[in-house]
Amino acid sequence: GAGVSQSPRYKVAKRGQDVALRCDPISGHVSLFWYQQALGQGPEFLTYFQNEAQLDKSGLPSDRFFAERPEGSVSTLKIQRTQQEDSAVYLCASSSNLGQGFDGYTFGSGTRLTVV
Amino acid sequence: AQSVTQLDSQVPVFEEAPVELRCNYSSSVSVYLFWYVQYPNQGLQLLLKYLSGSTLVKGINGFEAEFNKSQTSFHLRKPSVHISDTAEYFCAVSEGHQGAQKLVFGQGTRLTINP
Repeated sequence: GAGVSQSPRYKVAKRGQDVALRCDPISGHVSLFWYQQALGQGPEFLTYFQNEAQLDKSGLPSDRFFAERPEGSVSTLKIQRTQQEDSAVYLCASSSNLGQGFDGYTFGSGTRLTVV
Repeated sequence: AQSVTQLDSQVPVFEEAPVELRCNYSSSVSVYLFWYVQYPNQGLQLLLKYLSGSTLVKGINGFEAEFNKSQTSFHLRKPSVHISDTAEYFCAVSEGHQGAQKLVFGQGTRLTINP
């Protein structure tokens, strides 16, 4: 596609509910990132995939957070037993890897998760 | 560890006035530097990036930034702002390696343009 697509755009979850957030990266982009942006803050790194391999998950805040990208394209971020502190905008970004660096990141519009 | 400091959380300016949004970073290795803009309820849009070469980088919407290695700064400037520039601006850094690396963002600067 022309850009990074995220769905749903908004999600309201009751505390304790499981949620799944989807990211469709730009076609052919090898790298995919998830970020969490709390209200009034800058985005913070969660996890990184290169193709289907999850190379860095150091930013996931707890074992309730899980991400996958089984076929190296679409990715899903799953949050189990949601808590109020999980309320944030979840941003997905993708990038193509060039031989000597990269040409930057393209971000999706994000999913705004509100846990009530 | 890398970190990014945006020195001003809010910057109010009048329309058609110049503006500078300040950004300092800390890193012990070569870096890539970025400025993103975020309009309300939208994702991040890339304004400009520094990967290598000329330290003065020109971006979209009339913005430019200058990479200063000795001062570890990457300040964003625009000579004349418009109402439509009202948004949140984020400076970000990643270590310069082959391939994509994670971004570390600053806390953001809210630019408000007054008529």
